[in-house]
Amino acid sequence: DTGVSQNPRHKITKRGQNVTFRCDPISEHNRLYWYRQTLGQGPEFLTYFQNEAQLEKSRLLSDRFSAERPKGSFSTLEIQRTEQGDSAMYLCASSLTLAGGSYEQYFGPGTRLTVT
Amino acid sequence: AQSVAQPEDQVNVAEGNPLTVKCTYSVSGNPYLFWYVQYPNRGLQFLLKYITGDNLVKGSYGFEAEFNKSQTSFHLKKPSALVSDSALYFCAVRDGQGNTDKLIFGTGTRLQVFP
Repeated sequence: DTGVSQNPRHKITKRGQNVTFRCDPISEHNRLYWYRQTLGQGPEFLTYFQNEAQLEKSRLLSDRFSAERPKGSFSTLEIQRTEQGDSAMYLCASSLTLAGGSYEQYFGPGTRLTVT
Repeated sequence: AQSVAQPEDQVNVAEGNPLTVKCTYSVSGNPYLFWYVQYPNRGLQFLLKYITGDNLVKGSYGFEAEFNKSQTSFHLKKPSALVSDSALYFCAVRDGQGNTDKLIFGTGTRLQVFP
């Protein structure tokens, strides 16, 4: 399967702990996005990368959140000092986006985070 | 600011009947519109997009969407619903500010197809 993959699929952690999620995009895709989805809502944008450069961060992304894409391939999203409000599904997507175009984003299965 | 609205939380339809899932948008500039479907505990699957061109866009699994500029709508349609179409459907618009192509999603519409 050559789709977007995310690990782990589920994570349960205690409040105050740090967690890290990984996303492997479709191999030839240059853009990678992170979204967060809470129950009953649509996904909300967090941040995105073009190759290894982080181009935009949402105001939703507090200083406890950090994302990297060190070699322009896989990406990690880390949450420090987790809070119960961080409980959500974290979705990763990738796209092949060229200048002047808008291409569909392909989503991974998500990582469901539960903070107890 | 760009936004989309999905006015129906749930749509119920009998198998074999046509279905419509509604979406309206608000954008500055040309709209880039998308439909995604989400099955339980799964990520989102791309169905179709409107960038430019024909107002009727055909997508995956027999779905199509009609772009209507005067009504600022992008409704999802299928001529004959299947029970397996039961899922959560999201309309999205590309933000388009600057060079970003982040998506702004609606709140979703749950489609229930009854046998």
